[in-house]
Amino acid sequence: ETGVTQSPTHLIKTRGQQVTLRCSSQSGHNTVSWYQQALGQGPQFIFQYYREEENGRGNFPPRFSGLQFPNYSSELNVNALELDDSALYLCASSSQQGARVGAFFGQGTRLTVV
Amino acid sequence: RKEVEQDPGPFNVPEGATVAFNCTYSNSASQSFFWYRQDCRKEPKLLMSVYSSGNEDGRFTAQLNRASQYISLLIRDSKLSDSATYLCVVATSGTYKYIFGTGTRLKVLA
Repeated sequence: ETGVTQSPTHLIKTRGQQVTLRCSSQSGHNTVSWYQQALGQGPQFIFQYYREEENGRGNFPPRFSGLQFPNYSSELNVNALELDDSALYLCASSSQQGARVGAFFGQGTRLTVV
Repeated sequence: RKEVEQDPGPFNVPEGATVAFNCTYSNSASQSFFWYRQDCRKEPKLLMSVYSSGNEDGRFTAQLNRASQYISLLIRDSKLSDSATYLCVVATSGTYKYIFGTGTRLKVLA
């Protein structure tokens, strides 16, 4: 087990609604990254939080936003949901920004937008 | 051209076989390389980092060729439990962003 937990595990939302996904990072890790994985594709980087600040963003629109809390847990918020937002959302926890040592993923939240 | 490219497979191999996957990357500034394993509908799990000198972990061997910008993963004596999707991951030193390939599916047959 990685010690990275995400909630909820599954979610069904209607187009236009808003959703909040949560992630608790592994003990000792100060960096959380979020990824979106569509069916049959590799995960795509959304953004990363390091010590409560956004530390880089992928090619996602502003309706994808996030937060990191003092205990290093994190939230991903998506506004105005679209059908194409249906995917597995993965949270990755790491130290030293994960670039050298690898990151550890939570089990993911499977979001379905109808 | 995708930043990280992998043959999606599937690779169907018998138990006990040796199988190799390659992955190419386009950014010559890439510094960190990993292989992750992902089972169906589960999260990716770190299999191994890839070092410049190559590295081995049991039945798994990873190689890096910087000149040709490719990474390989060799699995010896395949087990049924090795059936999964293998994701190649690249990151530029000091950055925060992992670039994933689409994954290579492996199915080990009894």
